[in-house]
Amino acid sequence: GDSVTQMEGPVTLSEEAFLTINCTYTATGYPSLFWYVQYPGEGLQLLLKATKADDKGSNKGFEATYRKETTSFHLEKGSVQVSDSAVYFCALHTGGFKTIFGAGTRLFVKA
Amino acid sequence: GAVVSQHPSWVICKSGTSVKIECRSLDFQATTMFWYRQFPKQSLMLMATSNEGSKATYEQGVEKDKFLINHASLTLSTLTVTSAHPEDSSFYICSANGLAGSSGANVLTFGAGSRLTVL
Repeated sequence: GDSVTQMEGPVTLSEEAFLTINCTYTATGYPSLFWYVQYPGEGLQLLLKATKADDKGSNKGFEATYRKETTSFHLEKGSVQVSDSAVYFCALHTGGFKTIFGAGTRLFVKA
Repeated sequence: GAVVSQHPSWVICKSGTSVKIECRSLDFQATTMFWYRQFPKQSLMLMATSNEGSKATYEQGVEKDKFLINHASLTLSTLTVTSAHPEDSSFYICSANGLAGSSGANVLTFGAGSRLTVL
């Protein structure tokens, strides 16, 4: 079945460091891909999305490119801030908007 | 636009009681709502899918008599945890899918979640 695999955390970085969180997927057809962020004690917020191959989603300095050839959707940010500390979930939507989530990657950013 | 509200955001109850969690789409009509459960430091697991006016479809391993889902209108779905026990303590999150805005774009929005603690 459809699935999402993302790198295990936690990831600990210093402020202004470069961030990459890897995400690969397995799906039939052509899913839409998403990154969600969950701040401590809160629900999910959509961070960015891409709906077709080679699309690049971007928001708040984060970006990810839908790579069909490698079935990947890696999240990157050039310079992280303490406020970026959160859990990041890679996800895909199957037909009917059922969302399949990766396990989540916890990010800690130190000042 | 496309806002989903969950209520309550926090609830503490005694073992054996039932708890109802509401999920409302505030500015669009949600033809489909999804309920997820998240254990501490884990990912979200889909519990069930509900379509307005019909019975919910439960994922394998989810007890339908334990977790009652009702989607009686296009803006409201409820999850009732019946005879709650400490192992039901978790973070429950809903999402709603429907057409929103003047363009009628298809949207999927998550609620902020409801944290249930059963004593």
